[in-house]
Amino acid sequence: GAVVSQHPSRVICKSGTSVKIECRSLDFQATTMFWYRQFPKQSLMLMATSNEGSKATYEQGVEKDKFLINHASLTLSTLTVTSAHPEDSSFYICSASPGTGWTEAFFGQGTRLTVV
Amino acid sequence: GESVGLHLPTLSVQEGDNSIINCAYSNSASDYFIWYKQESGKGPQFIIDIRSNMDKRQGQRVTVLLNKTVKHLSLQIAATQPGDSAVYFCAEIQQPGNQFYFGTGTSLTVIP
Repeated sequence: GAVVSQHPSRVICKSGTSVKIECRSLDFQATTMFWYRQFPKQSLMLMATSNEGSKATYEQGVEKDKFLINHASLTLSTLTVTSAHPEDSSFYICSASPGTGWTEAFFGQGTRLTVV
Repeated sequence: GESVGLHLPTLSVQEGDNSIINCAYSNSASDYFIWYKQESGKGPQFIIDIRSNMDKRQGQRVTVLLNKTVKHLSLQIAATQPGDSAVYFCAEIQQPGNQFYFGTGTSLTVIP
């Protein structure tokens, strides 16, 4: 299957700093990527849809100024958690699809963010 | 979004038994569904999918059943093995936009 690489897998940062997470589709082009957040023992919550060359579409309740998304190319989307606080500590996961319609999405391995 | 952050229900089964994991989805207009397996600290892995024009699909040791009337999916795992221990999520895919919304999930533990 197609490969989606997410980096870093783990990051610890201090409160008030910003953290960037990268999501790359390694062997296919993805016009759309998705970002999820997952708290311990809970489901994945869709945060935003990242569209190549245009602004991201955020789900209700997700602060777009807090979670900056950039999709500069067909193989790379980045999520920047700005001015991080301990409550932002979570598992962040991206996914990408090779096409639209009824196609499977491939998931990255996730990034464990801990804000201290 | 459609998913709700509830704590995971759990299911424990003996090795060799069959497992049934259930999922309720929210949008009657959803027309594509996928079951994912997630191991601790990793991203979800595709198990099996089903489209709304079907009510059953079988894979290797897994079967997905779809009941559109009550908006319910189930995943059946035959002869459950210790390696099947993980959290299982159903996802409903909504158009336009190919957005995935995940169900609550179930934590499966296989007892050797």
